[in-house]
Amino acid sequence: EPEVTQTPSHQVTQMGQEVILRCVPISNHLYFYWYRQILGQKVEFLVSFYNNEISEKSEIFDDQFSVERPDGSNFTLKIRSTKLEDSAMYFCASSGTGTGNTIYFGEGSWLTVV
Amino acid sequence: QQQVKQSPQSLIVQKGGISIINCAYENTAFDYFPWYQQFPGKGPALLIAIRPDVSEKKEGRFTISFNKSAKQFSLHIMDSQPGDSATYFCAAIPWAAGNKLTFGGGTRVLVKP
Repeated sequence: EPEVTQTPSHQVTQMGQEVILRCVPISNHLYFYWYRQILGQKVEFLVSFYNNEISEKSEIFDDQFSVERPDGSNFTLKIRSTKLEDSAMYFCASSGTGTGNTIYFGEGSWLTVV
Repeated sequence: QQQVKQSPQSLIVQKGGISIINCAYENTAFDYFPWYQQFPGKGPALLIAIRPDVSEKKEGRFTISFNKSAKQFSLHIMDSQPGDSATYFCAAIPWAAGNKLTFGGGTRVLVKP
């Protein structure tokens, strides 16, 4: 079964450093997303991406964050100047067309900012 | 109006019992309602989903009941097993591709053997 894959599974970074989280969405999907889950809380939407541009973003997704699809398979989330409160699990997700809006999630990248 | 409210926050059920989780929404633009199951340290996995043109959908031991007029839907886990112990999130989204999921707050289910 096709799946969304994410790397790294866990990253520890110093406060103020930049991190890049990588994702390979399901191959025939056209819509890509990043969600975030702070420990013990619900999953929150960050950003959606379609046709090489951001289609929607939440209030959380400020200038500190950026997304990119550098090639035909990868989708990345860059977090600049990380803060302690950025510590969370970050989920990449993707969805296709023709099947409504079933969104499939990756296993997540656990980011710890120290 | 964008919120999805989920209850209870946690639930303990004996093996073989029924787990019931309830969700309510306000945004009438929502017309696709998936449930996700999440194990610790893992991503949310789609469990079952329903559209408002039906009032119930069953897949194995999992059943969604949907009340369009009340804007409520619920997940029933029949014959609950210890392997069902996980956090369950209801969610809502407009059907058209590309929209974002709005999640409920989650219900942590513990099935005791």
